[in-house]
Amino acid sequence: DAKTTQPNSMESNEEEPVHLPCNHSTISGTDYIHWYRQLPSQGPEYVIHGLTSNVNNRMASLAIAEDRKSSTLILHRATLRDAAVYYCILRDVGGGDQGAQKLVFGQGTRLTINP
Amino acid sequence: GAGVSQSPRYKVAKRGQDVALRCDPISGHVSLFWYQQALGQGPEFLTYFQNEAQLDKSGLPSDRFFAERPEGSVSTLKIQRTQQEDSAVYLCASDAGTGELFFGEGSRLTVL
Repeated sequence: DAKTTQPNSMESNEEEPVHLPCNHSTISGTDYIHWYRQLPSQGPEYVIHGLTSNVNNRMASLAIAEDRKSSTLILHRATLRDAAVYYCILRDVGGGDQGAQKLVFGQGTRLTINP
Repeated sequence: GAGVSQSPRYKVAKRGQDVALRCDPISGHVSLFWYQQALGQGPEFLTYFQNEAQLDKSGLPSDRFFAERPEGSVSTLKIQRTQQEDSAVYLCASDAGTGELFFGEGSRLTVL
């Protein structure tokens, strides 16, 4: 499985933007970049995903480098409820092997938001 | 309910007991995944179903772990002769094929 590298932890202040980086230098052409987050005592929650172009939704924005070897999850205005572990995951949906559609989680980035 | 439902939320078992964990996916979701999450770690893949077919069980840690989804909806993860190292949160997720996985809140298993 293609690997991602994220900082172990980050800290930000409430109402400020947060940029969470992810490196994935071995990404293949059929890998989508997915972001999930996990709040304490809850299951992971989908945030956003993309392939090549930058993506926006109500939760966040995803900026993907032109060579696709890195990406950044952007929370435009952090709140205390955004404190969570954020996972950057590559998901191959281009192959015929159905098992390749699984998500492979790393350690993620633990985001702390200061009031 | 609208989300993925797991039961029980908490289970305490004595070492050597068998346990069964249930997952009710979102209605109509074809794909279903089980994950194991140890304290302080990211979730680890266990097994994957497409309808009733178990297409990938490469993550099951031993033959004490068994999963089934006989009618392509509800799934059960069974752990036989539980050991202390089986203590973890077991997460179930379903996928509508849109690229987004929906996770349940998990079943926390503690083996004494």
